[in-house]
Amino acid sequence: SAVISQKPSRDICQRGTSLTIQCQVDSQVTMMFWYRQQPGQSLTLIATANQGSEATYESGFVIDKFPISRPNLTFSTLTVSNMSPEDSSIYLCSVKDGMGWYGYTFGSGTRLTVV
Amino acid sequence: GENVEQHPSTLSVQEGDSAVIKCTYSDSASNYFPWYKQELGKGPQLIIDIRSNVGEKKDQRIAVTLNKTAKHFSLHITETQPEDSAVYFCAASIAGNQFYFGTGTSLTVIP
Repeated sequence: SAVISQKPSRDICQRGTSLTIQCQVDSQVTMMFWYRQQPGQSLTLIATANQGSEATYESGFVIDKFPISRPNLTFSTLTVSNMSPEDSSIYLCSVKDGMGWYGYTFGSGTRLTVV
Repeated sequence: GENVEQHPSTLSVQEGDSAVIKCTYSDSASNYFPWYKQELGKGPQLIIDIRSNVGEKKDQRIAVTLNKTAKHFSLHITETQPEDSAVYFCAASIAGNQFYFGTGTSLTVIP
């Protein structure tokens, strides 16, 4: 399965600032996914990042708040903009291990605390 | 859309005992059901999955059962060990497309 390197692993940020999270995969993948995991909660899909096109956002998430870049087939970034304490979560990037039935591989996550 | 419910939210068992986590789903079109284990400070890892054309799948101490009629599936861990302590998530999808995750079960195995 793919190996994902996600940075930073954790950060404490001031409200009103922005944080960019990086996700590097050791193989080329068509789609990369960004999830949010709020404390004690399940995983919620933020957006799907396709190389060469705009990311597709899920209901409740907007590009102005969570801009995503996907410059090539092995790398993506998620920015959490104008942060508030409600943005304190774990952010995870993920890739499909293959077409169709295969599960996702997740990065180790970025634990964000906004103060 | 799909709604996945997972129970219990927390589970404590003695080492060597069995643990069972149950999930229900709402969309009868869902046909792929993976289970993930998330250890502290790490991302979720796929531990076992099942497709709707089988009723049970086993991998050493871990098994998953699926009841399509009742729309529920369960994770069974036998002979639990302290290293099984983690948060477990179930998920449902249609043919491995968008995944809908359960709310997670925090399993503690007491030595």
